[in-house]
Amino acid sequence: QLQLQESGPGLVKPSETLSLTCTVSGGSISSSNYYWDWIRQPPGKGLEWIGSIYYSGITFYNPSLKSRVTISVDTSKNQFSLKLSSVTATDTAVYYCARHPSAVLRFDPWGQGTLVTVSS
Amino acid sequence: DIVMTQTPLSLSVTPGQPASISCKSSQSLLHSDGKTYLYWYLQKPGQSPQLLVYEVSSRFSGVPDRFSGSGSGTDFTLKISRVGAEDVGVYYCMQGVHLPPTFGQGSKLEIK
Repeated sequence: QLQLQESGPGLVKPSETLSLTCTVSGGSISSSNYYWDWIRQPPGKGLEWIGSIYYSGITFYNPSLKSRVTISVDTSKNQFSLKLSSVTATDTAVYYCARHPSAVLRFDPWGQGTLVTVSS
Repeated sequence: DIVMTQTPLSLSVTPGQPASISCKSSQSLLHSDGKTYLYWYLQKPGQSPQLLVYEVSSRFSGVPDRFSGSGSGTDFTLKISRVGAEDVGVYYCMQGVHLPPTFGQGSKLEIK
């Protein structure tokens, strides 16, 4: 059964870069059938898609975050990563990694999520 | 971006009674391939979202048949025929026809 697990610092200072990693187990990130996603949820609020990456490195980003986001993949470690630069308090959220089939934006499964707080 | 609007934002339902959530999109979710890319997710308390329904009306693997989705174009509905305690949480609709995918605000279901 495919499982995704987010990891990274839970506290980031304003203006710094948030960095998270998603480790995939129970399957290969190099599957030609899937894209790998980051989605976030501010406390008590709704869901926002951040972006996706294919194992080859092809990326798609939400235009609202595109100038600050970089998603990368490390197939040797079966991981993909998120970097969000110049963070502010509004970037405080639970960050989820997820997967979707190549042809459809259907997210399953999701990781358990990790809370990142932006504060000095 | 396509705006997804859900109603109601909260609902309190007696166990065994039905429940219904509406989702409206600011643009048609009908793709040129003939499919409509509207999804429903449930986020149970303290958990990550889980997929319930895809492409308007197809139940995902393991989802009970008391959940049903319907609609077309810009208007969609999720119905629960008999609500149980295990159905508590926040329900989100999501469109996947245009990037970026966007979610509704969420509808919180509680048990009376």
